[in-house]
Amino acid sequence: NAGVTQTPKFQVLKTGQSMTLQCAQDMNHNSMYWYRQDPGMGLRLIYYSASEGTTDKGEVPNGYNVSRLNKREFSLRLESAAPSQTSVYFCASSDRAVQVGELFFGEGSRLTVL
Amino acid sequence: LAKTTQPISMDSYEGQEVNITCSHNNIATNDYITWYQQFPSQGPRFIIQGYKTKVTNEVASLFIPADRKSSTLSLPRVSLSDTAVYYCLVGDGNAGKSTFGDGTTLTVKP
Repeated sequence: NAGVTQTPKFQVLKTGQSMTLQCAQDMNHNSMYWYRQDPGMGLRLIYYSASEGTTDKGEVPNGYNVSRLNKREFSLRLESAAPSQTSVYFCASSDRAVQVGELFFGEGSRLTVL
Repeated sequence: LAKTTQPISMDSYEGQEVNITCSHNNIATNDYITWYQQFPSQGPRFIIQGYKTKVTNEVASLFIPADRKSSTLSLPRVSLSDTAVYYCLVGDGNAGKSTFGDGTTLTVKP
């Protein structure tokens, strides 16, 4: 099984450009999440989707938008990238609310904004 | 949000038992405590989860005291491959609003 797949794995943007990070899971999980991880720091929740058709803000949502396209796919969009959004982005999925379930993570997408 | 506090780093030697403690003073009644392991350039990986007392699986044990304001991840007989960052995660009772701490970097030396 592929688990959680993220694309692209690497991306360089210029300030003001837009882009979308794609995430897909093949485990039939209801919940999906987007985190960012800055160097030497823990993961911070950007947005999550508890179930298909719903999305909600996490700890650091400013500058991002998300779309739960279907049960498998959850995308993260940067409308106008800023250097402060340089980070590694992780998508995750689980079959229950995160505090009582296991999170399955993708391998990450490394984004650099110049 | 249930904030967690962990030591920034720990050193150990191969074959030793390692205990990493996480403080979570404002844990909610229905929250679970989950530990993850992360290697460089990879996403975190689930290690163990518990609610109270002791939980053990094939790789680790998790000790949670009665007041649940802290938890201790115990790794028996560590090897060099256990060098990683370890995170505890505690929910606040609302789906998706759990907080990772900054993690503990464990370095295992030969």
